[in-house]
Amino acid sequence: GAGVSQSPRYKVAKRGQDVALRCDPISGHVSLFWYQQALGQGPEFLTYFQNEAQLDKSGLPSDRFFAERPEGSVSTLKIQRTQQEDSAVYLCASSPVAGGTHNEQFFGPGTRLTVL
Amino acid sequence: GQQLNQSPQSMFIQEGEDVSMNCTSSSIFNTWLWYKQEPGEGPVLLIALYKAGELTSNGRLTAQFGITRKDSFLNISASIPSDVGIYFCAGQARSYNTDKLIFGTGTRLQVFP
Repeated sequence: GAGVSQSPRYKVAKRGQDVALRCDPISGHVSLFWYQQALGQGPEFLTYFQNEAQLDKSGLPSDRFFAERPEGSVSTLKIQRTQQEDSAVYLCASSPVAGGTHNEQFFGPGTRLTVL
Repeated sequence: GQQLNQSPQSMFIQEGEDVSMNCTSSSIFNTWLWYKQEPGEGPVLLIALYKAGELTSNGRLTAQFGITRKDSFLNISASIPSDVGIYFCAGQARSYNTDKLIFGTGTRLQVFP
């Protein structure tokens, strides 16, 4: 497809379960970002990949959160032992370059995670 | 986490009216972006600004990058019902290892026919 895709679109997990969220960026895009969006808030940065290298993970809220992009394209965000406060929309974005100007980020539709 | 101050928080206007919203930061940014988000969707990029003082238009939308590099404004002229949604500003302060965006708190726009 032409845009960023994410799956699943909706995920319901019981507290304590592990979840894995997938992001397919726009083909050829170098940079990939994960953001968390709580209800009624703006997105908040989680982590950033340049190709397969995770250059910034300063936004990950705890060591239960782990992200990877092993081949520099598809990325997976994994949350272990989910808690209720993890309930949010998880957005993935990609951009064609790294650094410089005109590296706008294009967002996917998000995965809405609900932890019961 | 850090979020930028965006105002107003919400707006209820009549179709045809003009709309203004702004975003302020305590930090300097190299790039300002404006996004629109509709229910169940990700943010969609509207306008990107790269230089202090820059004024850029996209159809009925006009945005400006503040001279101090700590603020930005978005104007929508002659609003129409499909303008309904949440508008977010986002700032980017590029550093050696990240291109992350810092988002504003959002302005919810409602347009009545």
